[in-house]
Amino acid sequence: GENVEQHPSTLSVQEGDSAVIKCTYSDSASNYFPWYKQELGKRPQLIIDIRSNVGEKKDQRIAVTLNKTAKHFSLHITETQPEDSAVYFCAASTNFGNEKLTFGTGTRLTIIP
Amino acid sequence: GAGVSQSPSNKVTEKGKDVELRCDPISGHTALYWYRQRLGQGLEFLIYFQGNSAPDKSGLPSDRFSAERTGESVSTLTIQRTQQEDSAVYLCASSLAGIETQYFGPGTRLLVL
Repeated sequence: GENVEQHPSTLSVQEGDSAVIKCTYSDSASNYFPWYKQELGKRPQLIIDIRSNVGEKKDQRIAVTLNKTAKHFSLHITETQPEDSAVYFCAASTNFGNEKLTFGTGTRLTIIP
Repeated sequence: GAGVSQSPSNKVTEKGKDVELRCDPISGHTALYWYRQRLGQGLEFLIYFQGNSAPDKSGLPSDRFSAERTGESVSTLTIQRTQQEDSAVYLCASSLAGIETQYFGPGTRLLVL
């Protein structure tokens, strides 16, 4: 089955700086890669996703890049703000009639004011 | 429209008792997932329902755990003879058929004394 590894487990950055979180996956058939943000005590929420037919997707201060050859994808947050502090989870799916996601172990991002 | 709802929001039980957790998915979502999230940890997949297909139970940690779903509506997760290590937040998510984006409920926080 699919295995998703996520690094780092914790990350602290100064407000205004950029943050990068990386994930690798094992199943070359995976073709859908979402990122979820979970604030303390809240439910995970989708913030951005990418499919294997594109290499990069951007939404305001958030971007995701995908390297299918190397089987890794990354989340980039620019101009970080205190409200970006949360746990971020990456995930992967093959979507061959099964939408089951395999999640990474999460990255706790702290923005230092 | 209404999102995924779960009940109860909190449950305190004594070791050895059975508990039932409920999930109401978004109307029209054929796929439903249960996850366990221990304090400060990632999302541990438990079980996945897709329409009328046989559920994927590969994540259930022991035979004390079971889940039911009636058609494409409500699901209940049952934990029998609860143990202290069952203490966690149990999250439910749902998605449309063929669409991998999962929408999470607020979770049920279970504490086994």
